[in-house]
Amino acid sequence: DTEVTQTPKHLVMGMTNKKSLKCEQHMGHRAMYWYKQKAKKPPELMFVYSYEKLSINESVPSRFSPECPNSSLLNLHLHALQPEDSALYLCASSQDRDFQPQHFGDGTRLSIL
Amino acid sequence: QKEVEQNSGPLSVPEGAIASLNCTYSDRVSQSFFWYRQYSGKSPELIMSIYSNGDKEDGRFTAQLNKASQYVSLLIRDSQPSDSATYLCAVPGSARQLTFGSGTQLTVLP
Repeated sequence: DTEVTQTPKHLVMGMTNKKSLKCEQHMGHRAMYWYKQKAKKPPELMFVYSYEKLSINESVPSRFSPECPNSSLLNLHLHALQPEDSALYLCASSQDRDFQPQHFGDGTRLSIL
Repeated sequence: QKEVEQNSGPLSVPEGAIASLNCTYSDRVSQSFFWYRQYSGKSPELIMSIYSNGDKEDGRFTAQLNKASQYVSLLIRDSQPSDSATYLCAVPGSARQLTFGSGTQLTVLP
């Protein structure tokens, strides 16, 4: 069983909807990540949080808004998404030190109508 | 710009054979290397970490690292159909970022 839990597992939304993806980790990690993954491609980094502060935003459009309420929770708020945003969204966590492996949740499969 | 190159495959091996997956990287200061397995429609799963030159064995999996050649490989012995997946090589850098290779799709034929 994964120690990084993501909800929901699947989400279908229209382009005018607002929804949120949630991630919770029970590994005591202080770094958390959001990735986007399209079919047959590696994960693409979106955001990095270190000690609940946003440390990296990889030029992600503002229709994606991350939030880290505490050290074990990470949210991704979605608004006015485009069909090309349909993808698998992955949350990961790691120890907040260099050269550490990241542990992924099961992901949220997002479809934009 | 850190680069990680993998033989993209697809790679097919018969059941019971050794599958060899390879990865080269451009950043000479990289200190650790990871292999992730990703089944179709699922998320990446960490299966091996290697931090020093030489071999690291875990069950049927062996990771090999050669820092001088900037080369890391994953050997899967006695391959099983359940090993059929995409294998991603990942190299961590500064600011907690992971650079992934493009992945190698492995099929183990019964």
